[in-house]
Amino acid sequence: DTGVSQNPRHKITKRGQNVTFRCDPISEHNRLYWYRQTLGQGPEFLTYFQNEAQLEKSRLLSDRFSAERPKGSFSTLEIQRTEQGDSAMYLCASSLNSIGTEAFFGQGTRLTVV
Amino acid sequence: SQELEQSPQSLIVQEGKNLTINCTSSKTLYGLYWYKQKYGEGLIFLMMLQKGGEEKSHEKITAKLDEKKQQSSLHITASQPSHAGIYLCGANMEYGNKLVFGAGTILRVKS
Repeated sequence: DTGVSQNPRHKITKRGQNVTFRCDPISEHNRLYWYRQTLGQGPEFLTYFQNEAQLEKSRLLSDRFSAERPKGSFSTLEIQRTEQGDSAMYLCASSLNSIGTEAFFGQGTRLTVV
Repeated sequence: SQELEQSPQSLIVQEGKNLTINCTSSKTLYGLYWYKQKYGEGLIFLMMLQKGGEEKSHEKITAKLDEKKQQSSLHITASQPSHAGIYLCGANMEYGNKLVFGAGTILRVKS
């Protein structure tokens, strides 16, 4: 098992374009998180899944953001009509269960909106 | 997350010196996680604490969770340049709920 994998590692897009990121969690991990991190800040919670069910979305997540986890395996995060303020590192993490198990992170996807 | 306060925000220490980073919450923490991050990279898992009074060590890093489970400290003994980075604490603020993070502590180690 190679850990949590995120693709792409870097993405540069023009304002107004749609982008999609993929996260492959550690196999058999039930819980999957998405976070956004900007320079000098800690990871900001966006949403999380328990298997295929999306349990919570941050109030900060606008309607332009959508996440899916079909079949409870990999997950995708899509941003529609990107804005410059969307530029950030997008991090994915997975854990076996909700409590008492380690949560491991991927290397992140750095998004730059120009 | 303002629910988790980390201090100090940044720290510069001389190589070989000890240091402590704190993570504080006004709520009971159901799981407390410490991570290290290099600039522009993902988070590396260090330790997880669950029980009040619990203490764990890995190499020269020791983490503790207080009895009330509202404060944790990360202590590095005899710091080395390899310890430099951003240290983040994360926690489950409610049982079974999402993992939230503090703003991080930037550590620089001078040779």
